[in-house]
Amino acid sequence: GIQVEQSPPDLILQEGANSTLRCNFSDSVNNLQWFHQNPWGQLINLFYIPSGTKQNGRLSATTVATERYSLLYISSSQTTDSGVYFCAVVRDSSYKLIFGSGTRLLVRP
Amino acid sequence: NAGVMQNPRHLVRRRGQEARLRCSPMKGHSHVYWYRQLPEEGLKFMVYLQKENIIDESGMPKERFSAEFPKEGPSILRIQQVVRGDSAAYFCASSPDRPATQHFGDGTRLSIL
Repeated sequence: GIQVEQSPPDLILQEGANSTLRCNFSDSVNNLQWFHQNPWGQLINLFYIPSGTKQNGRLSATTVATERYSLLYISSSQTTDSGVYFCAVVRDSSYKLIFGSGTRLLVRP
Repeated sequence: NAGVMQNPRHLVRRRGQEARLRCSPMKGHSHVYWYRQLPEEGLKFMVYLQKENIIDESGMPKERFSAEFPKEGPSILRIQQVVRGDSAAYFCASSPDRPATQHFGDGTRLSIL
């Protein structure tokens, strides 16, 4: 099956710093989503981005489908950005979201 | 526009009891997916349903687990004779079509005593 690898597994930032999270996948996909799981366990949709670039406030994401990776950029990080960031993909002709193991982010004040 | 609604948020059961988890998809969404998240892990696909049909249940354990999405009412994930290993967060997602963004509910945290 398709493999989804996220890096780094853990990240500690000082408030105000910028960061880049990476997601590599091993097969062509028709869907890629980034999620933030907050400390209360809620899963927040950040981006639906099978290709191209999108921005939403301090967050932006880029997916290069031909090279099978996606990047999530967090600028001017805040303590509320803490949590786990998941990348999930749907392989072509499928519908199951396959999740990576996540990047655990801690933003310190 | 209400999002995906799951209830209960927390459910405690003793070993051997039954657990019923409910999911109401977003308005206009006819595709429902259930995922399970074990502690410290990512989410894993369990089952995909459309109204009155199970499309793919390849991620469901072979025994004790069942799911339905009736013509009227929410989707139900049912776990019979629960065991400690069933303790997890169960998330439901819905989409209007596929491929499309899957929108997730807040999950049900199941604890087995």
